[in-house]
Amino acid sequence: QQPVQSPQAVILREGEDAVINCSSSKALYSVHWYRQKHGEAPVFLMILLKGGEQKGHEKISASFNEKKQQSSLYLTASQLSYSGTYFCGTEISSTGNQFYFGTGTSLTVIP
Amino acid sequence: DAGVTQSPTHLIKTRGQQVTLRCSPISGHKSVSWYQQVLGQGPQFIFQYYEKEERGRGNFPDRFSARQFPNYSSELNVNALLLGDSALYLCASRSSFSGNTIYFGEGSWLTVV
Repeated sequence: QQPVQSPQAVILREGEDAVINCSSSKALYSVHWYRQKHGEAPVFLMILLKGGEQKGHEKISASFNEKKQQSSLYLTASQLSYSGTYFCGTEISSTGNQFYFGTGTSLTVIP
Repeated sequence: DAGVTQSPTHLIKTRGQQVTLRCSPISGHKSVSWYQQVLGQGPQFIFQYYEKEERGRGNFPDRFSARQFPNYSSELNVNALLLGDSALYLCASRSSFSGNTIYFGEGSWLTVV
């Protein structure tokens, strides 16, 4: 039931854009995105509820296609501070019984 | 406002011992969940509690147990520790049991030797 993320790893130069995908085998109620730096706890980026919404947070935005059971995270004009491992997290129902993190995407931004 | 607080931050235990990890949620949050993160992997869901009742359980053996207290704080207990239990244990809180932001504490690093 763990969502699958792609790509597994990506290296960007400052200012470049990236897209991280999250795909689930089950219908989703919500999708969460987190960034985790080495040795630290995951930091919340955004949450999307079913309904095909798209949200933005500064230069980071995300979309949620509930029919395809997929979500994508868009990072534009990347900065060095964007480096880290990105995880999607999924809830399959409104009862919130379980929350699954994706397989993770390592993002490295270089000068 | 204080965030999610966990204790202890680091601990070392011997195989076969038992450990208790503690978590205080953000004030007003009634849901607490626990995750295990082994080095190099993503967090794995262990338990969710809401209003002192277990609302969800991940694929972990019965050696793992948890509870939530009337003040919504929580404890995670792991018995008969194995080397493979070495990990970062994350606690998270949210105001309801689904559909809203999950806030993580800084975690408890457990090393089993």
